[in-house]
Amino acid sequence: ETGVTQSPTHLIKTRGQQVTLRCSSQSGHNTVSWYQQALGQGPQFIFQYYREEENGRGNFPPRFSGLQFPNYSSELNVNALELDDSALYLCASSLRRSGGQYFGPGTRLTVT
Amino acid sequence: DQQVKQNSPSLSVQEGRISILNCDYTNSMFDYFLWYKKYPAEGPTFLISISSIKDKNEDGRFTVFLNKSAKHLSLHIVPSQPGDSAVYFCAAIEANTGNQFYFGTGTSLTVIP
Repeated sequence: ETGVTQSPTHLIKTRGQQVTLRCSSQSGHNTVSWYQQALGQGPQFIFQYYREEENGRGNFPPRFSGLQFPNYSSELNVNALELDDSALYLCASSLRRSGGQYFGPGTRLTVT
Repeated sequence: DQQVKQNSPSLSVQEGRISILNCDYTNSMFDYFLWYKKYPAEGPTFLISISSIKDKNEDGRFTVFLNKSAKHLSLHIVPSQPGDSAVYFCAAIEANTGNQFYFGTGTSLTVIP
């Protein structure tokens, strides 16, 4: 059984660019949640995907969007990057929408 | 608004002693609570959880206590070991209706050998 994996590990982008982060969920998990963790803060919920549909969204603007694929892997896309988007982006998979979540190691995004 | 709060950013404890990490929440609808442990360069790892129908849950050296009237939970680690040094996050959710886990800001625990 493989755990949650994320790619890339680190990424540096400039303001205004677009970025795509990827997540492979744990085997058998049909739900993926994305979180943003700024320095010194706890993870903040961005959105959740359940069976390929968005199933809830936190307080993030529309330039944060996502996809979930039939194999339950997922992408997080961020358009028009801003300096404040610099953070650790965590993906977590679970068996159900409110189930215990298994986190990947995260992608560290730096926007300059 | 921060619905889950961890007011102690850091805690240092001697090896072998008890570590007590605290967490407060404001939303009375939360009914499922979890503790996660995070090492640098890794994602959070699930540690222990508790449902609101209980006031205590134990797993080896780890015990979580829930005081619903005070909207407070705590994690006890006994005895503390140097390998327990990490950042600990508490999280909460309305399990039946919600899909969003709310996390605290974390407490960095250092266990001194």
